[in-house]
Amino acid sequence: KAGVTQTPRYLIKTRGQQVTLSCSPISGHRSVSWYQQTPGQGLQFLFEYFSETQRNKGNFPGRFSGRQFSNSRSEMNVSTLELGDSALYLCASSTEGAALGYTFGSGTRLTVV
Amino acid sequence: TQLLEQSPQFLSIQEGENLTVYCNSSSVFSSLQWYRQEPGEGPVLLVTVVTGGEVKKLKRLTFQFGDARKDSSLHITAAQPGDTGLYLCAAKETSGSRLTFGEGTQLTVNP
Repeated sequence: KAGVTQTPRYLIKTRGQQVTLSCSPISGHRSVSWYQQTPGQGLQFLFEYFSETQRNKGNFPGRFSGRQFSNSRSEMNVSTLELGDSALYLCASSTEGAALGYTFGSGTRLTVV
Repeated sequence: TQLLEQSPQFLSIQEGENLTVYCNSSSVFSSLQWYRQEPGEGPVLLVTVVTGGEVKKLKRLTFQFGDARKDSSLHITAAQPGDTGLYLCAAKETSGSRLTFGEGTQLTVNP
């Protein structure tokens, strides 16, 4: 079966712009989580969605938001981009949540210039 | 938020050597997972351990969960260049649904 698909793979944006990243989970997976990965901070939890509801949120400013659609596809949005938002953004899906592990997508590499 | 400490951060060894990576915390976890990540890709789940004292084997990899469910180790026997990658431990809190990741161990196995 198809894995977790993230689009786009690479993105270059200018400071102050906004960006939307997309994630299609494995068919049948209702839980989608987003992580930010940087060399200095490692993987940091952004938020988790389950059946269109945000179930958990990490310690990121309100510029970071997300949503999940009825088909479990998810998007995350970052407004007013800053240089420090440059990172690999990873989406992960599972049937029920984190307990037994996630399947990750290949990520979206965002560069803010 | 609980912290996961992984050690060592970097490890460079020769093909055929054995190695152990550690993952420690002061908190109790309901489950702990190990992932391997290669450059430009997302992490890939290797194993999930849920019971204190549990040992799981995956070919040359042996994973152990501490009796108190606060720590874990990953042991690789006779490492091969294909084992090169970033190894991440991740723990699920006893309540809540988020995973907390360690900073990772960058393993390089030289031929």
